Amino acid sequence: AQSVSQHNHHVILSEAASLELGCNYSYGGTVNLFWYVQYPGQHLQLLLKYFSGDPLVKGIKGFEAEFIKSKFSFNLRKPSVQWSDTAEYFCAVNDWGGATNKLIFGTGTLLAVQP
Amino acid sequence: DAGVTQSPTHLIKTRGQHVTLRCSPISGHKSVSWYQQVLGQGPQFIFQYYEKEERGRGNFPDRFSARQFPNYSSELNVNALLLGDSALYLCASSRGDGEVLGEQFFGPGTRLTVL
Repeated sequence: AQSVSQHNHHVILSEAASLELGCNYSYGGTVNLFWYVQYPGQHLQLLLKYFSGDPLVKGIKGFEAEFIKSKFSFNLRKPSVQWSDTAEYFCAVNDWGGATNKLIFGTGTLLAVQP
Repeated sequence: DAGVTQSPTHLIKTRGQHVTLRCSPISGHKSVSWYQQVLGQGPQFIFQYYEKEERGRGNFPDRFSARQFPNYSSELNVNALLLGDSALYLCASSRGDGEVLGEQFFGPGTRLTVL
């Protein structure tokens, strides 16, 4: 079974600092990878996704992620964070088991950006 | 466009009771998935339905059941509630036709508290 690991549970940054959140997955075959964000009081929203092609994917709000197949990683980055980026971030991978398309999520990283 | 809707938003039950949670997918989406998100963890897959048929089931006891209706809305039922069932229950919808992209759109969730 697939699994997803997020290395940082809590991250505290000051505004304008750079962000990198780690994500590793266990499956060695073809994968679809996602980063979701959950702002306080809001529902899960898709930040970005990787299916194929350019391993550097750009998402909304200035976020990007790089897929490194040899490292089974899909780290999320943002050059300069804002207070409004305070949220919980989840990395997820598609697990195609038979006819099921389910998402396997990491445990999440809680990001707090201080003004 | 309306996103995924869920009802109720909050629910308080006591141990041993039964609960029914409801979900309406995005218009045109034929697949609905249910996830359980316990505080401090990422969402965990419970069920996926497509065209009223169960496509997959996660590692949850038989107390959990679900169904999908002809209009593609769905219900999640949990019997004999335990304290450990307290969680945010998320519904996600996807197109379901071919599932090439595998992107799932999440609703706001139902917060279930079991006392």
